[in-house]
Amino acid sequence: NAGVTQTPKFQVLKTGQSMTLQCAQDMNHEYMSWYRQDPGMGLRLIHYSVGAGITDQGEVPNGYNVSRSTTEDFPLRLLSAAPSQTSVYFCASSYSAREAFFGQGTRLTVV
Amino acid sequence: ELKVEQNPLFLSMQEGKNYTIYCNYSTTSDRLYWYRQDPGKSLESLFVLLSNGAVKQEGRLMASLDTKARLSTLHITAAVHDLSATYFCAAYNNNDMRFGAGTRLTVKP
Repeated sequence: NAGVTQTPKFQVLKTGQSMTLQCAQDMNHEYMSWYRQDPGMGLRLIHYSVGAGITDQGEVPNGYNVSRSTTEDFPLRLLSAAPSQTSVYFCASSYSAREAFFGQGTRLTVV
Repeated sequence: ELKVEQNPLFLSMQEGKNYTIYCNYSTTSDRLYWYRQDPGKSLESLFVLLSNGAVKQEGRLMASLDTKARLSTLHITAAVHDLSATYFCAAYNNNDMRFGAGTRLTVKP
């Protein structure tokens, strides 16, 4: 049982580049979400999805897009990377509003 | 807007001592979560508290929830070095999970 799988684990981007962070879960969870973690600020919700075809914005959605074409996958797209997007990104999934299972994280640096 | 405040942000404890981490949230929350994070690692779920007065215990950790006071506590009993980590609380309302800034706990021998 793989749980929540995120790729890549590390990424360096130049300002203005775009990329997609991948997230997949094999637990048939309805709810998936993306967070960013910055020092001293805990985790902040970027976007979330309550099921295939349904997405919504969280606390800090600007500069990010998501889609949910299948139950398993929830990719996060950075449209035009900025240094302010340097962070550690976590994908999470859960069944209803029960405990969330987190991926291992993606450490992104934008130079 | 749902906001979550934890205190203290940093906690240095001696082994064998007891301490409590506090988590306050600003508006009605359906449930309250506690997570643990080791350095460079992901988050691990510790507790989910669903109702007023809920108390859950696992080993040396005990979490409680007072929805009227909008307060949850994580109590550490007889701390051991293995408990050194960062602990986060998170409040949930209408598909939005908001995290506190975390409490970095260091247990010293």
